[in-house]
Amino acid sequence: QQQVKQSPQSLIVQKGGISIINCAYENTAFDYFPWYQQFPGKGPALLIAIRPDVSEKKEGRFTISFNKSAKQFSLHIMDSQPGDSATYFCAASSSGAGSYQLTFGKGTKLSVIP
Amino acid sequence: EAGVAQSPRYKIIEKRQSVAFWCNPISGHATLYWYQQILGQGPKLLIQFQNNGVVDDSQLPKDRFSAERLKGVDSTLKIQPAKLEDSAVYLCASSLMGSGYGYTFGSGTRLTVV
Repeated sequence: QQQVKQSPQSLIVQKGGISIINCAYENTAFDYFPWYQQFPGKGPALLIAIRPDVSEKKEGRFTISFNKSAKQFSLHIMDSQPGDSATYFCAASSSGAGSYQLTFGKGTKLSVIP
Repeated sequence: EAGVAQSPRYKIIEKRQSVAFWCNPISGHATLYWYQQILGQGPKLLIQFQNNGVVDDSQLPKDRFSAERLKGVDSTLKIQPAKLEDSAVYLCASSLMGSGYGYTFGSGTRLTVV
């Protein structure tokens, strides 16, 4: 499996601030880039996803920025709230043959302090 | 819509013992995945099923791990014999066939091998 590199490993943000998590990938065959949110004791839950034909996608307070030439993508959480405190994973997959086998980054533990 | 069901939630076994995990995917989801999530890391794909056939098991340690999906619905993942390094959360996910849509994870089974 090709690697997906995620940074930072942990992040502390004040309530109302912007949280930014970055990921980089190697495999140019990847064409689907989701972000997952995971709370302790739960499975990852899809937050937002992007395909490489667009450079940005926004859903509520969550925005993905995608740079195809640099093979990088990032998650921005605007107006961060204590309820956003969780571990966030970027992932990538190639949708060839409909496989959608996800390659995950190592995760970022986000703590939003009041 | 009911989610992906997994059982048991927790399991503690001694090394060299065997263990089995069960997964019931979302109704109508033809594609089923098993992932292994070691503490502090992102999930890693073990095996993918399409209906009751194996699509990819290239990352499944076949000397000790086995998986099956009977009648294209429920799936079981077995480890025999277990090693200390198998301690992890085992996540099951399902999606509509040939699509990343509806890709949903269960809450996982936390395995501790002592």
